[in-house]
Amino acid sequence: DIQMTQSPSSLSASVGDRVTITCRASQSISSYLNWYQQKPGKAPRLLIYAASSLQSGVPSRFSGSGSGTDFTLTISSLQLEDFATYYCLQTYISPRITFGQGTRLEI
Amino acid sequence: EVQLLESGGAWEQPGGSLRLSCATSGFIFRSYAMSWVRQAPGKGLEWVSTISGSGVKADYADSVKGRFTVSRDNSKSALYLQMDSLRAEDTAVYYCAKVSSGYDPTDFWGQGTLVTVSP
Repeated sequence: DIQMTQSPSSLSASVGDRVTITCRASQSISSYLNWYQQKPGKAPRLLIYAASSLQSGVPSRFSGSGSGTDFTLTISSLQLEDFATYYCLQTYISPRITFGQGTRLEI
Repeated sequence: EVQLLESGGAWEQPGGSLRLSCATSGFIFRSYAMSWVRQAPGKGLEWVSTISGSGVKADYADSVKGRFTVSRDNSKSALYLQMDSLRAEDTAVYYCAKVSSGYDPTDFWGQGTLVTVSP
């Protein structure tokens, strides 16, 4: 199975900051990479699919980039509602999809 | 409006069985492969199983292979997960989901149902 490694595991930031989270795959996954946001007690919410495509309804301050093995999620200007846990997900080897371990974004 | 509603989560003893259900509406259920994803308390997301739209093909994570069985009833737009030989490490919130793949942004998740495996 493909291993997905996110960094950092946790991150402290302030409203208005620019934040970048990275995800590295153990082998090339082309652009088969999603980013999710999860808040406590809630299901994950899709933010970015195909590495860089913004899901409908997601604010434009979220962006994704990368291909192959290295990917990034960037939040250009943090808002209060963005404090959550973020996960990457590879869908290259479908259906044997694998998630990163998560990045907790804290104030 | 797309809706996925899981049910069947409960407390069960190690070695026991549970059957989870996921009732869906608002999309063409038979057109999509569907998955179960779980999240242990305080932990990350883990893929459990996926079944094809026709129900013919299913795949499982190594951690549940041979113990869990996924199925679907397209006439009822329903997804199921039969969980046998339960272990403490199966304790988690189980989500029913249609996960976005490739350039298909279609992504639906239920609210989750809690399975607790404990003596």
